[in-house]
Amino acid sequence: AQSVTQLDSHVSVSEGTPVLLRCNYSSSYSPSLFWYVQHPNKGLQLLLKYTSAATLVKGINGFEAEFKKSETSFHLTKPSAHMSDAAEYFCVVSDRNSGNTPLVFGKGTRLSVIA
Amino acid sequence: GAVVSQHPSRVICKSGTSVKIECRSLDFQATTMFWYRQFPKQSLMLMATSNEGSKATYEQGVEKDKFLINHASLTLSTLTVTSAHPEDSSFYICSARRTGPAKDRALHFGNGTRLTVT
Repeated sequence: AQSVTQLDSHVSVSEGTPVLLRCNYSSSYSPSLFWYVQHPNKGLQLLLKYTSAATLVKGINGFEAEFKKSETSFHLTKPSAHMSDAAEYFCVVSDRNSGNTPLVFGKGTRLSVIA
Repeated sequence: GAVVSQHPSRVICKSGTSVKIECRSLDFQATTMFWYRQFPKQSLMLMATSNEGSKATYEQGVEKDKFLINHASLTLSTLTVTSAHPEDSSFYICSARRTGPAKDRALHFGNGTRLTVT
């Protein structure tokens, strides 16, 4: 079984300061891990993914995440927040070796950016 | 990049009518598509897995006779909400997975459909 825990339902940062969105996972298999962003009334956009290569993954818009197996974590970071980063972020886990199993979503973290 | 088109983006219908939502993978083939439902300020809940050429697999608690899924081709899946009621009002999102190596298996999402049943 797989599960994802996003430790914070809401994170608020000032523009220009670092962003940290926390995610812990549980998986019986070799996991693939993803971060998606959702703006209001929009679909989901893939920020980055980890599938077994480098543990530090760089994504779009300056975001990156580090896969830490010992800590079962996949936290999302960005050095400097921008107003346009305000959105809902989902950490997601999937079985790496199965092509047709759906993704398991965390409950989401709402990021607010204060000017 | 992979594009998934979902249509319509917004629909308002009267109670008792049916609504069809289309999900298309525009630049890749998808043997499997997934339908999610999202309530306000909540995460996505998987409703069903749509398989090309066969019956969909529904999650526990999802009424298959109410939420009809058809996946007639490798690029199109449809979700029909039959006899809609106000409690069916929600945000529905489809997704498709590109077949191939694991590194390419991220799900690509449509922009969602906001259904309001009056």
